[in-house]
Amino acid sequence: GQQVMQIPQYQHVQEGEDFTTYCNSSTTLSNIQWYKQRPGGHPVFLIQLVKSGEVKKQKRLTFQFGEAKKNSSLHITATQTTDVGTYFCAGPDTNAGKSTFGDGTTLTVKP
Amino acid sequence: DGGITQSPKYLFRKEGQNVTLSCEQNLNHDAMYWYRQDPGQGLRLIYYSQIVNDFQKGDIAEGYSVSREKKESFPLTVTSAQKNPTAFYLCASSPARGSLYGYTFGSGTRLTVV
Repeated sequence: GQQVMQIPQYQHVQEGEDFTTYCNSSTTLSNIQWYKQRPGGHPVFLIQLVKSGEVKKQKRLTFQFGEAKKNSSLHITATQTTDVGTYFCAGPDTNAGKSTFGDGTTLTVKP
Repeated sequence: DGGITQSPKYLFRKEGQNVTLSCEQNLNHDAMYWYRQDPGQGLRLIYYSQIVNDFQKGDIAEGYSVSREKKESFPLTVTSAQKNPTAFYLCASSPARGSLYGYTFGSGTRLTVV
């Protein structure tokens, strides 16, 4: 079945440093979604990318969808303590009507 | 405010008991999902439903059961057959076949076996 892999599993940064998490799918995706889960909270939808090579920005967050639509990345510029949490990507398994989530990258930020 | 409500927030179960976790949404979403999350782990799909009176097994359905009698409701029963039920359970919904829209998650139920 479809597999979605994320790296790294954990990332510890000093406040102000940049952070990037990568997502790779075993199959070509029609779209990819990103979620953030704060410690003790639930995942919250951040964004969806649909087009090959698409780049979207949300303030300090930049999301990219690869040209082959099999990989994606989330980059945070100048991290803040409010960025702490686990970031998940999810790719649709369109035949089954559900999405497969990566295992997430947990970001900790040292003030 | 539209959203997904999960109850209870915390639940304690004795070994050998069945327990039912509630999930209600007022977003008029067609699809609903149940995920299990263990500490430091990702989301594992238990069951999902794309339409009333129909549901499919996810990756870890053994020891769980669901029903979808109403569009708004998708309760999950953790049965005594589930050997290691202690976990964080998340319910989610999406407008249509899950793959085209972002999921809205409930705030979760933390289940502990005592």
